[in-house]
Amino acid sequence: DADVTQTPRNRITKTGKRIMLECSQTKGHDRMYWYRQDPGLGLRLIYYSFDVKDINKGEISDGYSVSRQAQAKFSLSLESAIPNQTALYFCATRDSSGANVLTFGAGSRLTVL
Amino acid sequence: QKEVEQNSGPLSVPEGAIASLNCTYSDRGSQSFFWYRQYSGKSPELIMSIYSNGDKEDGRFTAQLNKASQYVSLLIRDSQPSDSATYLCAVNSPHGNTGKLIFGQGTTLQVKP
Repeated sequence: DADVTQTPRNRITKTGKRIMLECSQTKGHDRMYWYRQDPGLGLRLIYYSFDVKDINKGEISDGYSVSRQAQAKFSLSLESAIPNQTALYFCATRDSSGANVLTFGAGSRLTVL
Repeated sequence: QKEVEQNSGPLSVPEGAIASLNCTYSDRGSQSFFWYRQYSGKSPELIMSIYSNGDKEDGRFTAQLNKASQYVSLLIRDSQPSDSATYLCAVNSPHGNTGKLIFGQGTTLQVKP
């Protein structure tokens, strides 16, 4: 099994629908991150969390919310999806005690029509 | 000015040649620098990290860091078609111990047989 698992891997939805992307990890890392990737723009940070009680906004948090249900689970929600949220979303984890290295999930490709 | 800048390419090199990928960053306080490789539709994977000025070699890969010039590069010797991918430069955000990485937009490398 993958260390960082994202579900769903692919999702097509309509404008205005609520969408949740889920991330779970078995690495025991305390820090978790959500990035989105758009062609030509690299990876941009949406939200990050240091533990279940610590949630922080990234550079592009508008239109998104997150929930850290447990140390191993970090979910990203789009309350009312819009077409410009069509992107590839990555969850990543990091151990606070180690080197500043991220481990990425396989990605969730979201299409909003 | 973007915080981390890369030439998006594509950079095309013949098989066996040296590929040189460049990255500049804006925050002088950054201390950790990373190169990730990303195949199309896949998640980024770490190939090199560098923390001190100078060169760091790992197999066919050499990372070079010049903090005075705010410049980090990746050299790939004896380039192979399997090296064809997008290479993402990432720099740590030095503000607080957040573990945030700021990514460049990536450089697409094409190695032609």
